[in-house]
Amino acid sequence: DAVMTQSPLSLPVTLGQPASISCRSSESLVHTGGQTYLNWLQQRPGQSPRRLIYQVSNRETGVPDRFSGSGSGTDFTLKISRVEAEDAGVYYCMQGTHWPYTFGQGTKLEIQ
Amino acid sequence: EVLLVESGGGLIRPGGSLRLSCAASGFTFSGDSMNWVRQAPGKGLEWVSWISPDGRTRVDAKSVEGRFTMSRDNAKNLLFLQMTSLREEDTAVYYCATIPMVRGGGAYWGQGVLVTVSS
Repeated sequence: DAVMTQSPLSLPVTLGQPASISCRSSESLVHTGGQTYLNWLQQRPGQSPRRLIYQVSNRETGVPDRFSGSGSGTDFTLKISRVEAEDAGVYYCMQGTHWPYTFGQGTKLEIQ
Repeated sequence: EVLLVESGGGLIRPGGSLRLSCAASGFTFSGDSMNWVRQAPGKGLEWVSWISPDGRTRVDAKSVEGRFTMSRDNAKNLLFLQMTSLREEDTAVYYCATIPMVRGGGAYWGQGVLVTVSS
């Protein structure tokens, strides 16, 4: 299985400051078709998850442009340029290149 | 408006069986693959099962293989998860979700349903 390792697991951030979450896969996430199926999801307290980013760097409709994804192969990053109060929650990377799909452990972003 | 509404959860003893349902509306259900994802209390997300749009192909996580069976009724826009031989470690909130990998949009999650396996 592709093991997804996120860091840090806890991320205290001051309002208006940037934040960065790393996600590393135990194997390359480049699909045989050439695409890389790496997603970022956000789960706010008490809510269901929602997808922010698909295929490494593509924002879902309605996701603020302060969120950006980057990376390739086995190393990926989610960045928030200026954290807002509504960004508090847990962020997960998820790969869909290999069966079974797997998630990272989650990174809890706390607003200071 | 897209809605995914799970039902069928509850308290069940170890070794028992339960069937979860997910009612879909607001999108072309028959055109999308579907997933079940679970979250144990206070823990992270765990992918459970995937089913193709026509229901002919399924993939399961090793942790549920041989015990859980995902199915769908495209005529009624319903998704199911038949769970047997339940264990305490199956205790979790179960979400049905569309998570298309090849395109943006169409990524929807239900509100989740709690399954508690305990004696």
